[in-house]
Amino acid sequence: SQTIHQWPATLVQPVGSPLSLECTVEGTSNPNLYWYRQAAGRGLQLLFYSVGIGQISSEVPQNLSASRPQDRQFILSSKKLLLSDSGFYLCACHPPSSYNEQFFGPGTRLTVL
Amino acid sequence: TQLLKQSPQFLSIQEGENLTVYCNSSSVFSSLQWYRQEPGEGPVLLVTVVTGGEVKKLKRLTFQFGDARKDSSLHITAAQPGDTGLYLCAGARGGNNRKLIWGLGTSLAVNP
Repeated sequence: SQTIHQWPATLVQPVGSPLSLECTVEGTSNPNLYWYRQAAGRGLQLLFYSVGIGQISSEVPQNLSASRPQDRQFILSSKKLLLSDSGFYLCACHPPSSYNEQFFGPGTRLTVL
Repeated sequence: TQLLKQSPQFLSIQEGENLTVYCNSSSVFSSLQWYRQEPGEGPVLLVTVVTGGEVKKLKRLTFQFGDARKDSSLHITAAQPGDTGLYLCAGARGGNNRKLIWGLGTSLAVNP
């Protein structure tokens, strides 16, 4: 079975600073990968998804970008953080062997001050 | 436009009570998943339902997919404090669509 790692677990950053969140996956190959943001214990907002190395689809125009330099590595970045970027960021994986299920990492709590 | 509507949004009950939460849509889904999320953690998959009218049981949890594959319900029997969490439903549209449609969740609190 797959394991999704995210780091850091928590992050406090000043407005205008850069951001890099990393997600790595073990136990599967050629997965679809996703970045979500979740506000205050509510639903998930899809930010980016990737079906392969170097292939990124953006769902919402924003201050963030994503990259997939390796099959099982997904990175969420920003050049200059805004207050509104605060939230709980989740990385998810859809292995080729699964039906439509997504499996999630533990998340990163980002606070922008 | 919210394609998957979950109700109720919040639910607070006593240990031992039964409850049902709903996930409704006007759209047809090829499959639907239920997840539970605890504070500060990622959602964990509970079940996937695929066939219209399908019923799946996971211990005290019973999941049903509507006949028309537009809605689903989750029933918990004799709720326990460990059932506390955010319950999320997500639907797949099928084909080459690689995204899930997410509901906003039902936040459940089971009080001892």
